[in-house]
Amino acid sequence: GDSVTQTEGLVTLTKGLPVMLNCTYQTTYSPFLFWYVQHLNEAPKLLLKSSTDNKRTEHQGFYATLHKSSSSFHLQKSSVQLSDSALYFCALSANSGTYQRFGTGTKLQVVP
Amino acid sequence: GPKVLQIPSHQIIDMGQMVTLNCDPVSNHLYFYWYKQILGQQMEFLVNFYNGKVMEKSKLFKDQFSVERPDGSYFTLKIQPTALEDSAVYFCASSTGGARDEQYFGPGTRLTVL
Repeated sequence: GDSVTQTEGLVTLTKGLPVMLNCTYQTTYSPFLFWYVQHLNEAPKLLLKSSTDNKRTEHQGFYATLHKSSSSFHLQKSSVQLSDSALYFCALSANSGTYQRFGTGTKLQVVP
Repeated sequence: GPKVLQIPSHQIIDMGQMVTLNCDPVSNHLYFYWYKQILGQQMEFLVNFYNGKVMEKSKLFKDQFSVERPDGSYFTLKIQPTALEDSAVYFCASSTGGARDEQYFGPGTRLTVL
């Protein structure tokens, strides 16, 4: 069945450094990938989405490229800020199914 | 932007009691979802709802769970009876289209079952 894998549970970085949060997926159907961000005690919000192979999508300084050849949709930012500290979820919508399947999430902790 | 509201924000109940979680989705949205999240962990899909019917539900959606949206009012999740393992934050979400559209999440209801 469809699945999403986020390998890092916690990433701790110093402010100003670049970050890449990993997301890989499995599906036999054409995928739609999403990144959601959830700040402490808040609701998840959409950060990025894509269904186009090899096209970079960007929002609020974050970017990701869907690579169907490697089944990946890694989230990147060139310089993290303290306000980027949050939980980041990758999600997949693939088959004719009716919901998005979420990964386990990666907690990004940015320190001064 | 569009907002999903959830009532109440917190609920504490004794095991075995019934609880109803209420969600006021974005007004023109047609698809509604419930997710369960335990202590900042993975967001786990419970159920989705469209055109007055459950479309799909996960293994977590036990027989004690039910959803409805009578006459376009709140989209509700009812748990009867509750169990200790039902303690979690429950998020409601809505979208205009199905799974390939952005989902708008509510702030969550923190349910504590004692």
